Amino acid sequence: GNSVTQMEGPVTLSEEAFLTINCTYTATGYPSLFWYVQYPGEGLQLLLKATKADDKGSNKGFEATYRKETTSFHLEKGSVQVSDSAVYFCALSSGNTPLVFGKGTRLSVIA
Amino acid sequence: ETGVTQSPTHLIKTRGQQVTLRCSSQSGHNTVSWYQQALGQGPQFIFQYYREEENGRGNFPPRFSGLQFPNYSSELNVNALELDDSALYLCASRLAGDPYEQYFGPGTRLTVT
Repeated sequence: GNSVTQMEGPVTLSEEAFLTINCTYTATGYPSLFWYVQYPGEGLQLLLKATKADDKGSNKGFEATYRKETTSFHLEKGSVQVSDSAVYFCALSSGNTPLVFGKGTRLSVIA
Repeated sequence: ETGVTQSPTHLIKTRGQQVTLRCSSQSGHNTVSWYQQALGQGPQFIFQYYREEENGRGNFPPRFSGLQFPNYSSELNVNALELDDSALYLCASRLAGDPYEQYFGPGTRLTVT
């Protein structure tokens, strides 16, 4: 079945540092890939998505590229801010199947 | 702000009791899904409703059931609560045929003692 593996947290960075959160997946067919963010006390928000191989999703300075050859969708940001502190979830969906999530990576950015 | 609301925000129940959680979706979103997020874990799919009928279920027992209403609201019912049911319950709505954009509510935190 479909599954997502993302790097364990927590990740603690200083403001303006470079961020990478690794995500790999196992899926049948050609899934769509997503990154969701969960701020403290809130629900999930879609951060970015990619629907086919080599697509790059981007939003709010975050980027992730759909790499079919390595079954990966790593999240990157060049310069993190304190306001980026949250839990980040990698997820996939094949067609209309439900979202399958990774366990989440907690990011803390300190000033 | 996703336009999806959930109630209550928090509640505490005793093992063996029953609970009903509510979700109000965006207007026009005829598909709603419910997820269970245990502490420190990613959300797990419970079930999905489309036009008031269940059309997909994850690995959850029948004591988890749901309803969807014509006014874009829905319910998650859990009978015979167990301690392991303690979690954040999230609902997500979307337009049928749009698999990419699911709008999540803020969740209901259920604690079973």
